[in-house]
Amino acid sequence: ETGVTQSPTHLIKTRGQQVTLRCSSQSGHNTVSWYQQALGQGPQFIFQYYREEENGRGNFPPRFSGLQFPNYSSELNVNALELDDSALYLCASSDFYGYTFGSGTRLTVV
Amino acid sequence: AQTVTQSQPEMSVQEAETVTLSCTYDTSESDYYLFWYKQPPSRQMILVIRQEAYKQQNATENRFSVNFQKAAKSFSLKISDSQLGDAAMYFCAYRAYGGATNKLIFGTGTLLAVQP
Repeated sequence: ETGVTQSPTHLIKTRGQQVTLRCSSQSGHNTVSWYQQALGQGPQFIFQYYREEENGRGNFPPRFSGLQFPNYSSELNVNALELDDSALYLCASSDFYGYTFGSGTRLTVV
Repeated sequence: AQTVTQSQPEMSVQEAETVTLSCTYDTSESDYYLFWYKQPPSRQMILVIRQEAYKQQNATENRFSVNFQKAAKSFSLKISDSQLGDAAMYFCAYRAYGGATNKLIFGTGTLLAVQP
């Protein structure tokens, strides 16, 4: 098992900029989900990708977008960054049996 | 919409003692999954225990056990013989059975401190 790797681990961006976060998938998992965890809060579901298609989305605006690649790795893109986008972004790959989370990317928007 | 509530922002336990973390949830579904996750300072969510709603028997994993009360929509986690390594943020989570997504709905978490 390879686990889930997220990059980068930390990132500082300026309001209005764009950011791309990356996530590898656990071997054998074809589904990837992204979560936003604000300080002191539980993770909030952003969206999910299954076999390169988005098949579920939480209450996040369109400036949050993503991709999944043929090897099931994934990207989260956020355009026009706002201060409130500062958070820990978690990626989780999954199959029917369960989830494997990465250690997250800490994004700070200044 | 489904919701998960954790009413204890912080808890403290002495090493080797037992502590119970509370979680309630709201759903109109009859089949679903419930989870407890641990998030240490490394930030990675680690599965502690999982319960299928159709199973009446409470799940147990070594020192960790749950008290699942389906009618009351309550899902508490009991940690026995607490160890220093148990100190972390604990999240209760819900997932619907079936459906298009594997979306997890998390509570706001309980920060557990373990005193030596």
